[in-house]
Amino acid sequence: SQKIEQNSEALNIQEGKTATLTCNYTNYSPAYLQWYRQDPGRGPVFLLLIRENEKEKRKERLKVTFDTTLKQSLFHITASQPADSATYLCALRNDYKLSFGAGTTVTVRA
Amino acid sequence: GAGVSQSPSNKVTEKGKDVELRCDPISGHTALYWYRQSLGQGLEFLIYFQGNSAPDKSGLPSDRFSAERTGGSVSTLTIQRTQQEDSAVYLCASSFNTGGETQYFGPGTRLLVL
Repeated sequence: SQKIEQNSEALNIQEGKTATLTCNYTNYSPAYLQWYRQDPGRGPVFLLLIRENEKEKRKERLKVTFDTTLKQSLFHITASQPADSATYLCALRNDYKLSFGAGTTVTVRA
Repeated sequence: GAGVSQSPSNKVTEKGKDVELRCDPISGHTALYWYRQSLGQGLEFLIYFQGNSAPDKSGLPSDRFSAERTGGSVSTLTIQRTQQEDSAVYLCASSFNTGGETQYFGPGTRLLVL
């Protein structure tokens, strides 16, 4: 069966450090993978998309890698700030739908 | 411009009652999706509309759930004879078209069935 697994534990990190989140998937062959941010009581907000032929993508302090052999994406938040505290969801395109992982909650301590 | 809007933001109902949840997508977006998010869970796909094509209802959990989209714009998700396990956040998203790479989400409707 198809599965998308993200870090099962919440991440608590000190301001200024790098947070690294993992997204592993099985039985998917996605053309691309997306990361979304979700704050409490809000809908997810799109952050980054990385295609199957791209190894790495950056946007400001965010970096995403995509390894289709390992079936894994890593999401890095560098120089983290308390405002980065949120739940981060990875999503795979599955035909015209998106399939989401359960998310990883990140808390950045000042 | 306005984003995706949903109403009501919160709904408390009694078991067995019917509820209607509304979604107003971004103007010009032809694709519309409904998802359900239970506490601590990922988003569960429910239904997808694209233009005038027949909707993909493959994610609807039971025949108590139905949705329609009028005039290619506003969508309504109806849950009949609500059960306590229907309690969740119902999220609507829209994208520019089927190949739309970014889905824009509304704030969700928090449904609590007592």
